[in-house]
Amino acid sequence: DQQVKQNSPSLSVQEGRISILNCDYTNSMFDYFLWYKKYPAEGPTFLISISSIKDKNEDGRFTVFLNKSAKHLSLHIVPSQPGDSAVYFCAASPSGTYKYIFGTGTRLKVLA
Amino acid sequence: SAVISQKPSRDICQRGTSLTIQCQVDSQVTMMFWYRQQPGQSLTLIATANQGSEATYESGFVIDKFPISRPNLTFSTLTVSNMSPEDSSIYLCSVEDAENYEQYFGPGTRLTVT
Repeated sequence: DQQVKQNSPSLSVQEGRISILNCDYTNSMFDYFLWYKKYPAEGPTFLISISSIKDKNEDGRFTVFLNKSAKHLSLHIVPSQPGDSAVYFCAASPSGTYKYIFGTGTRLKVLA
Repeated sequence: SAVISQKPSRDICQRGTSLTIQCQVDSQVTMMFWYRQQPGQSLTLIATANQGSEATYESGFVIDKFPISRPNLTFSTLTVSNMSPEDSSIYLCSVEDAENYEQYFGPGTRLTVT
């Protein structure tokens, strides 16, 4: 049972446009969400997070939106750059624990 | 953020053998984690390694198959025992930043079992 789902395995976006990566979760006990970026042959690197008390968090070109009623979060990258091409994982953590449940990832390709 | 290194970066092993993966952190951390990423799948937590106590394994993972050591606050090892092709995966260690609950990952060890 996949508790964190990224239904789009890949996404291609033109440089300068907005990239929107989506993530759905099923467990209402999740209260902390993160996005990680992963380049080939490297470990995932933390990108941005959001707690369930917020519905938006912004850091430079990256914004994460959380819709608790829909159990959905999204990562917006604007403007997209070729260096953003990577696999993006969303992760969720249940309340009171340190455990992260990861989605299967979305491969983003930003075309120059 | 912590700087994490892993050895080896990759290996090809024969069925039935064992491989020990090392994880070194540049600062003292309380909690270290071992993950597995099988081809096309998400990162799955294998176990949590705390210094001075037994590792805590997630459902589906057992100590006999994945023994873990945590001799100090900067180092841990994961052994993949009696390997089969199904163990072919990327194995990653991570540590948690106690202040912001973010996890930082090592570069991973790509294991291929033939």
